Amino acid sequence: DAGVIQSPRHEVTEMGQEVTLRCKPISGHDYLFWYRQTMMRGLELLIYFNNNVPIDDSGMPEDRFSAKMPNASFSTLKIQPSEPRDSAVYFCASSFTSYTGELFFGEGSRLTVL
Amino acid sequence: AQKITQTQPGMFVQEKEAVTLDCTYDTSDPSYGLFWYKQPSSGEMIFLIYQGSYDQQNATEGRYSLNFQKARKSANLVISASQLGDSAMYFCAMREGMYSGGGADGLTFGKGTHLIIQP
Repeated sequence: DAGVIQSPRHEVTEMGQEVTLRCKPISGHDYLFWYRQTMMRGLELLIYFNNNVPIDDSGMPEDRFSAKMPNASFSTLKIQPSEPRDSAVYFCASSFTSYTGELFFGEGSRLTVL
Repeated sequence: AQKITQTQPGMFVQEKEAVTLDCTYDTSDPSYGLFWYKQPSSGEMIFLIYQGSYDQQNATEGRYSLNFQKARKSANLVISASQLGDSAMYFCAMREGMYSGGGADGLTFGKGTHLIIQP
């Protein structure tokens, strides 16, 4: 079975540009999460969806960040305009409502904003 | 207050020795799950083991076991017979609201422990 698929794997952009990160969760999973990982702050939960509905976006750092999940198989995280402090690895993860509920992570999108 | 505390930023261990990675957590939710993930230098997040707050027995998965001490709010990961391939960052995480019926939260991660296995 395919795991969580993220694109692009690497993105280098200039400050002020729009960045869109994409995620395809594992089929049948009803939760989708966006995390950001930096050396300084570790792994931070930005937003998560349940059955395509945003449940908690309190981790989204500011209005420059937005996330959508138009259907069960696709989600985007958009940064507009991007800033150098947004440089990080962004992970998408999905899970199924189950007893264990472990999250399955994509390989991450490494973003560098110059 | 931090929800997940990992007090060992880094550890060096000889190959074939057992390793204990510490994790303490803080929650008032009676329904939670505790997870350990491994992140090798390649960057992917690999799920290792899970312990539910209502589980009576400590979880085990191959060479991994979780020493769950609920009263102390402790969930240490034990790796038996360490191997060179175990060198990685290890993250403890908690997910609240697991069995409440209202939907679970996302995982809250600790800062991680960088484990280096020496030959």
